[in-house]
Amino acid sequence: EIVMTQSPATLSVSPGERATLSCRASQSVSSNLAWYQQKPGQAPRLLIYGASTRATGIPARFSGNGSGTEFTLTISSLQSEDFAVYSCQHYNNWPPLTFGGGTKVEIK
Amino acid sequence: QMQLQESGPGLVKPSETLSLTCSVSGGSIATYFWNWIRQPPGKGLEWIGYIYDIGRANYNPSLKSRVTISVDTSKNQVSLKLSSVTAADAALYYCARRTARGFPYYYMDVWGKGTTVTVSS
Repeated sequence: EIVMTQSPATLSVSPGERATLSCRASQSVSSNLAWYQQKPGQAPRLLIYGASTRATGIPARFSGNGSGTEFTLTISSLQSEDFAVYSCQHYNNWPPLTFGGGTKVEIK
Repeated sequence: QMQLQESGPGLVKPSETLSLTCSVSGGSIATYFWNWIRQPPGKGLEWIGYIYDIGRANYNPSLKSRVTISVDTSKNQVSLKLSSVTAADAALYYCARRTARGFPYYYMDVWGKGTTVTVSS
């Protein structure tokens, strides 16, 4: 099983600032990685797939990077609606599909 | 735009079977892979398994002995059964659709809002 580790667990950021979230895989997942946004009471939202491709309707301030075992999700200028939990998921060499533990982006 | 709605008992007794339903609207469930994913309180997401067509399922090895996912195409519903539940099975349970893109893409592009299951006597 591939273990996905996200850091930090919580990131405190002021609106308008840049946020960089990390996701590490225990073995190479190539570029087979997705990022999701979760808010309480809402359905999770796909942000990024293929490590760097934005899903339909996702604003350009969200960007993904990386391959192999190291990945980042960057939010260039945080808006109020971006404060949420972000999770990564690999889809390489499965089952099982596995997710990271999540990073909570909170208002500083 | 497809929408997913999970439903089922919010409270299950230890050792009993958890049964949830995902109702799909806005499109046919045919040709898609349908997944169940859960999130225990304060923890990350855990993939439970998927079903594609009738009888073609794949489960997380850690849950395989207790899980059954099925589909009812006449009702446009996907079901989850998890037997012999314990407190560790208490979680927010999500139904999610795999993207229609083919191999190697296996990410979820449509999710329900989830339903909370508590395990307690």
